[in-house]
Amino acid sequence: GQNIDQPTEMTATEGAIVQINCTYQTSGFNGLFWYQQHAGEAPTFLSYNVLDGLEEKGRFSSFLSRSKGYSYLLLKELQMKDSASYLCAPMDSNYQLIWGAGTKLIIKP
Amino acid sequence: SAVISQKPSRDICQRGTSLTIQCQVDSQVTMMFWYRQQPGQSLTLIATANQGSEATYESGFVIDKFPISRPNLTFSTLTVSNMSPEDSSIYLCSVPSWSGDYNEQFFGPGTRLTVL
Repeated sequence: GQNIDQPTEMTATEGAIVQINCTYQTSGFNGLFWYQQHAGEAPTFLSYNVLDGLEEKGRFSSFLSRSKGYSYLLLKELQMKDSASYLCAPMDSNYQLIWGAGTKLIIKP
Repeated sequence: SAVISQKPSRDICQRGTSLTIQCQVDSQVTMMFWYRQQPGQSLTLIATANQGSEATYESGFVIDKFPISRPNLTFSTLTVSNMSPEDSSIYLCSVPSWSGDYNEQFFGPGTRLTVL
């Protein structure tokens, strides 16, 4: 079956760094997406990885290891506005996104 | 990129009634997706709607309960029929848009449905 595992909730301090891990099992693989979703809003795209390694985009970076079925999202210089849910979504062989339940990130001053 | 609007943004409905949600995209797209997201839960794909063909429903979702129309390449509707409180959820439409390297999925703002 297809399965996504990521922590339910994490807490971090403003200005700090946080890493949100995601492990996945899918039928085939065509890349992995990370989305941010603020409460009551639609998800918005953060990153896409299809090859192993680290993709950096400003304060956000995403890492992928296909052999381990593992990805993480790294957020640096945390700001209060980063309080949101972060959704890990690998794409299977049918190019369908498989959505994790998301990690709720709470930023404290 | 794609800009997506949905109507209504929210509604409160009585048990047994039906609600039709509209999704409008600012560009022509072949595929449109309809998702449901219950409070604190993951996104669950209801169906994929391609223009000119019947929608493809995921396991657990049937056409009689969630009929979908796709009359053209910029518009789709999802109807939630014979509603029960268990249908209370956020309903989202989504479209893929080719960025040059990958198909990014863009989401509409969602329709928040409460069934009493």
